[in-house]
Amino acid sequence: NAGVTQTPKFQVLKTGQSMTLQCAQDMNHNSMYWYRQDPGMGLRLIYYSASEGTTDKGEVPNGYNVSRLNKREFSLRLESAAPSQTSVYFCASSEGEKLFFGSGTQLSVL
Amino acid sequence: AQKITQTQPGMFVQEKEAVTLDCTYDTSDPSYGLFWYKQPSSGEMIFLIYQGSYDQQNATEGRYSLNFQKARKSANLVISASQLGDSAMYFCAMREGWMNRDDKIIFGKGTRLHILP
Repeated sequence: NAGVTQTPKFQVLKTGQSMTLQCAQDMNHNSMYWYRQDPGMGLRLIYYSASEGTTDKGEVPNGYNVSRLNKREFSLRLESAAPSQTSVYFCASSEGEKLFFGSGTQLSVL
Repeated sequence: AQKITQTQPGMFVQEKEAVTLDCTYDTSDPSYGLFWYKQPSSGEMIFLIYQGSYDQQNATEGRYSLNFQKARKSANLVISASQLGDSAMYFCAMREGWMNRDDKIIFGKGTRLHILP
């Protein structure tokens, strides 16, 4: 059982480049999330989707867009990457009393 | 305004002692849930325990228990008989809005726990 799969695991971008982080879950969960983790800041919610077809802004949505492609997949797009977006990104899904995390993407923007 | 507050950036505790990690929260939603997660140096997020706002009893999972004081809006994690393997970052999180099909989950800034031999 794969759980939550996010790709890539590592990525280096130049300022201004674009990229999409992919996330898929095989647990038939309604809710999916994107977080970023920075030292001393904990995990901050970027965007979330409480059901297929809906997306909502979290705490730090600026500079990001998301797509809930279907119930399984929730992608995060950086249209024009900035050094401030250097971070570790986690995708997660939830149904009930647990939040299941992907293994994270370490993104560096130079 | 910060909705999840963890006031202890770091803690040092002697092995085998009990540990209490503090977490306070703020919400106007009557239906909410509180999670605790552990993040070791490997980076993975490990689920520890969950408490629903309507749960009558404090949640327990093995050596972990949640001291839920609803009136004070606090949900402290208690680890009994700490072990060296408990050294990690610990995050408190709150879920709200799912009764209105929203289901937002936000985290605190975390507490880094060091267990001393």
